[in-house]
Amino acid sequence: NAGVTQTPKFRILKIGQSMTLQCTQDMNHNYMYWYRQDPGMGLKLIYYSVGAGITDKGEVPNGYNVSRSTTEDFPLRLELAAPSQTSVYFCASSWAGSSNEQFFGPGTRLTVL
Amino acid sequence: QKEVEQNSGPLSVPEGAIASLNCTYSDRGSQSFFWYRQYSGKSPELIMSIYSNGDKEDGRFTAQLNKASQYVSLLIRDSQPSDSATYLCAVTRYGGSQGNLIFGKGTKLSVKP
Repeated sequence: NAGVTQTPKFRILKIGQSMTLQCTQDMNHNYMYWYRQDPGMGLKLIYYSVGAGITDKGEVPNGYNVSRSTTEDFPLRLELAAPSQTSVYFCASSWAGSSNEQFFGPGTRLTVL
Repeated sequence: QKEVEQNSGPLSVPEGAIASLNCTYSDRGSQSFFWYRQYSGKSPELIMSIYSNGDKEDGRFTAQLNKASQYVSLLIRDSQPSDSATYLCAVTRYGGSQGNLIFGKGTKLSVKP
């Protein structure tokens, strides 16, 4: 099993550009999550999904959108990128809710200039 | 009021010593508690979970939970240089949605040979 995979690993965007961060898991987990981590800070939840077709906002959803059309995939869309979105983005998955272990992908390092 | 607080460190201990990492949380109804280890430039990985008051041991790691004091700790016995990493405390938010796992900012541990 590959676990949780994310692409790309690195990306530089210009202000106002858009992009999609890809996340795929092969563990048949129901729950998937997107976090951002700024330097010296903990992880902040952006969006999460409890199953295909169901998504909900986390703590810091502004400027992002998600979709979940399959169990495996949970892409994160950035529209009109801003310097404040410079961060490391982690996708995670778990079998059930937050009381269960979350498995993290390797992360995407995004810089917006 | 910060929801999950950790001493940012760095905490420096000699090889073979006991490292003690502490975490306090503000939501009295929190039910699940986790310690994640994050090496520099890598994604978090779960090392311990604890759900009830008392101690839970796994190899060189012991998690301690005191819900009355809203306090959770991680002890690492016989610390090794390979334990040098940032340790993130994570707590579920009582009454929140299934996605609400709140992370502290992490404590950076350095084990000196």
